[in-house]
Amino acid sequence: AQTVTQSQPEMSVQEAETVTLSCTYDTSESNYYLFWYKQPPSRQMILVIRQEAYKQQNATENRFSVNFQKAAKSFSLKISDSQLGDTAMYFCAFMISGNQFYFGTGTSLTVIP
Amino acid sequence: GAVVSQHPSRVICKSGTSVKIECRSLDFQATTMFWYRQFPKKSLMLMATSNEGSKATYEQGVEKDKFLINHASLTLSTLTVTSAHPEDSSFYICSAGQGAGGYTFGSGTRLTVV
Repeated sequence: AQTVTQSQPEMSVQEAETVTLSCTYDTSESNYYLFWYKQPPSRQMILVIRQEAYKQQNATENRFSVNFQKAAKSFSLKISDSQLGDTAMYFCAFMISGNQFYFGTGTSLTVIP
Repeated sequence: GAVVSQHPSRVICKSGTSVKIECRSLDFQATTMFWYRQFPKKSLMLMATSNEGSKATYEQGVEKDKFLINHASLTLSTLTVTSAHPEDSSFYICSAGQGAGGYTFGSGTRLTVV
């Protein structure tokens, strides 16, 4: 069975500062994908960043980067230069190709002006 | 990029009636679509996997006779909530993709049963 754990229900960060959201997962699969999705108040799920498990290099998308530790099954998200628009619910997700997402319970991030 | 359209965005219906929610892939074909349910401030819970041309696969605890899924074409899957009750009120989200991690979510449907 696949499980995804986000141990931080709520977090806050000062505008322009850096924040890291934690995520761990458990699987017996060797080939899979990891994602961070953002869900603002509009509730639209927005892809933030994606990582293929077979790639050792950590994915980066502008201010967003991940620290992927495959052996430790850890996949944290770092947001640099936080902006007010980053305020949202963040979900870590796991997927085996062609199948459904397994979501964590989410972390509510508030960026404080 | 891939776009998934979900309609309606909001619907209010009377208890006992049925409601249909549509999920369309606009610029790609999707042999598989997924339907999720999300309670307030909670994570997304997979309800079923919709397969084009065949029966949907339901997750444990999801009533297939209550939540009817039809995936008649490569670009459209529908979820029908039959004989809706207030406890069916929720946020429903679909997703579709082209495999290898390329999945996109619809904008969701807020269902309120009164």
